[in-house]
Amino acid sequence: EAGVAQSPRYKIIEKRQSVAFWCNPISGHATLYWYQQILGQGPKLLIQFQNNGVVDDSQLPKDRFSAERLKGVDSTLKIQPAKLEDSAVYLCASSPRQEGEAFFGQGTRLTVV
Amino acid sequence: AQSVTQPDIHITVSEGASLELRCNYSYGATPYLFWYVQSPGQGLQLLLKYFSGDTLVQGIKGFEAEFKRSQSSFNLRKPSVHWSDAAEYFCAVGAGNNRKLIWGLGTSLAVNP
Repeated sequence: EAGVAQSPRYKIIEKRQSVAFWCNPISGHATLYWYQQILGQGPKLLIQFQNNGVVDDSQLPKDRFSAERLKGVDSTLKIQPAKLEDSAVYLCASSPRQEGEAFFGQGTRLTVV
Repeated sequence: AQSVTQPDIHITVSEGASLELRCNYSYGATPYLFWYVQSPGQGLQLLLKYFSGDTLVQGIKGFEAEFKRSQSSFNLRKPSVHWSDAAEYFCAVGAGNNRKLIWGLGTSLAVNP
């Protein structure tokens, strides 16, 4: 079974630029998560999708972050414009159901300079 | 409010020694409990989970954890640590209607040869 795929693995951008991350979850997984993990901290949930609907986006900075999950499969997370404090690893995870365990991708390490 | 505490930020053990990583949670109902491991530059991998039933759960890589309701704890154990176990370990609690994961800050494990 293929795991959660994320791209790119690494990205360096200047502040005020925009960036997008892509995630392909495990086939058949209805729930998809985007997490932000700052160095030395645990993951912070940004947004949770159930199929193509948003379940929780309470911690998503909506003035600069956006996410979509078209057709309930792939998802993209966008930051526009980026700030220095957005430097982090962005993790995508999927789960077969809302209350199940999450399977994580390798993440995208974003550096904002 | 729900919370997860991992009291030990960093632990060092010798190879072959036993290991116990502590996790305490605050949640009104019976939670879903998880332990994840994160190796450098990698995503998070599920070690084990507890939803209900037997309070001693077995996971991958020789890890086990015990749910103790009276102590609100879910400590992770391994009888003999291998050098490859050096990593960051995260405890997480699934809480609320959508079982949103609440994460601890992690425990960094170093293994001396």
